[in-house]
Amino acid sequence: EDQVTQSPEALRLQEGESSSLNCSYTVSGLRGLFWYRQDPGKGPEFLFTLYSAGEEKEKERLKATLTKKESFLHITAPKPEDSATYLCAMEGSQGNLIFGKGTKLSVKP
Amino acid sequence: DAGITQSPRHKVTETGTPVTLRCHQTENHRYMYWYRQDPGHGLRLIHYSYGVKDTDKGEVSDGYSVSRSKTEDFLLTLESATSSQTSVYFCAISEREVAYNEQFFGPGTRLTVL
Repeated sequence: EDQVTQSPEALRLQEGESSSLNCSYTVSGLRGLFWYRQDPGKGPEFLFTLYSAGEEKEKERLKATLTKKESFLHITAPKPEDSATYLCAMEGSQGNLIFGKGTKLSVKP
Repeated sequence: DAGITQSPRHKVTETGTPVTLRCHQTENHRYMYWYRQDPGHGLRLIHYSYGVKDTDKGEVSDGYSVSRSKTEDFLLTLESATSSQTSVYFCAISEREVAYNEQFFGPGTRLTVL
């Protein structure tokens, strides 16, 4: 069964304290691993797509990496404005995205 | 930002009444999706469309129907709303043949069924 699991459910960091979010997946034939950011009361905002193991992508303080079983979202020197829920997803057999339940990140000044 | 709007943004209705949610896009993307987001479940696919008048069911389609008469509009109808359909509904669009399946989401509709 296609499945996406994110950990931890919640993460509290001090400003400047780097950390990583984990997304593990099971699928027969990965067609894309996606990261989104979601702010309260808003729709998910697209961040990255990763297609093959070993691939990395960066955007400001965020860096996403992919292995054959999991993906990591590394946050370097986070700021309070990085506080949000980060969602991981992969493409399912119907072309839909199968989402994890998300990691809620809080960055305190 | 992708040009996606949803209406209404908030709605409160009573059990048994019909409800229609609208998704409108200005990107001319072929694929459109309806998801619902609930605590503890994440985002789940309700229905999707792969072209005008071409639609198919998703994971949680019971109690919902959809229609797409124009490229830019995708309607989600709850024929007879139930309390279990209280949720936040998101529309998404993608252009799968051009750029894999990166999906872009609308702002959502918060629906409460009393």
